[in-house]
Amino acid sequence: GQSLEQPSEVTAVEGAIVQINCTYQTSGFYGLSWYQQHDGGAPTFLSYNGLDGLEETGRFSSFLSRSDSYGYLLLQELQMKDSASYFCAHDNYGQNFVFGPGTRLSVLP
Amino acid sequence: DADVTQTPRNRITKTGKRIMLECSQTKGHDRMYWYRQDPGLGLRLIYYSFDVKDINKGEISDGYSVSRQAQAKFSLSLESAIPNQTALYFCATSEGNTGELFFGEGSRLTVL
Repeated sequence: GQSLEQPSEVTAVEGAIVQINCTYQTSGFYGLSWYQQHDGGAPTFLSYNGLDGLEETGRFSSFLSRSDSYGYLLLQELQMKDSASYFCAHDNYGQNFVFGPGTRLSVLP
Repeated sequence: DADVTQTPRNRITKTGKRIMLECSQTKGHDRMYWYRQDPGLGLRLIYYSFDVKDINKGEISDGYSVSRQAQAKFSLSLESAIPNQTALYFCATSEGNTGELFFGEGSRLTVL
């Protein structure tokens, strides 16, 4: 089967850096995406790693290591508005996306 | 206006009723998806479609059916709703292998 694992909850303070890890066991792995979802909202795309290495987009960075079946999302200079759920999702044979269970991030003042 | 629009946004129905959730998009994407979200389980794929003649089952297709009426429209039906189909349903679109899904605002379905 296919599965992705993420921590269920992470807590950090405003201004800090937090890393959300994602490990996966899949076949047909093409890449890893990250999404943010605020309570009551729809998931919104943050980043995609099709190749190993680091992708940076503003305060957010994402990393992928295919050899370790591992990726992470790094959020820097945390703000209160970053409190949300974060999902990793693997690109399944380039046809669809399989999501992890999500990590709820709480940013404290 | 939203690029991916879902109707209805909220629906309460009774066990055994037929329900249709509709999705339309103005992004011009060929690929469309239906996902279901339950607390603690992430999003699970129900069906996906690459064009009007290409429809594929996802992880949890039992109890659901879909119709791709046009490139821009993808409907999800529950022929006989049951309480464990109570969930938040999302439609999404994508363009090729970009790794990015564009989601609608969601349809919250409650089956009593």
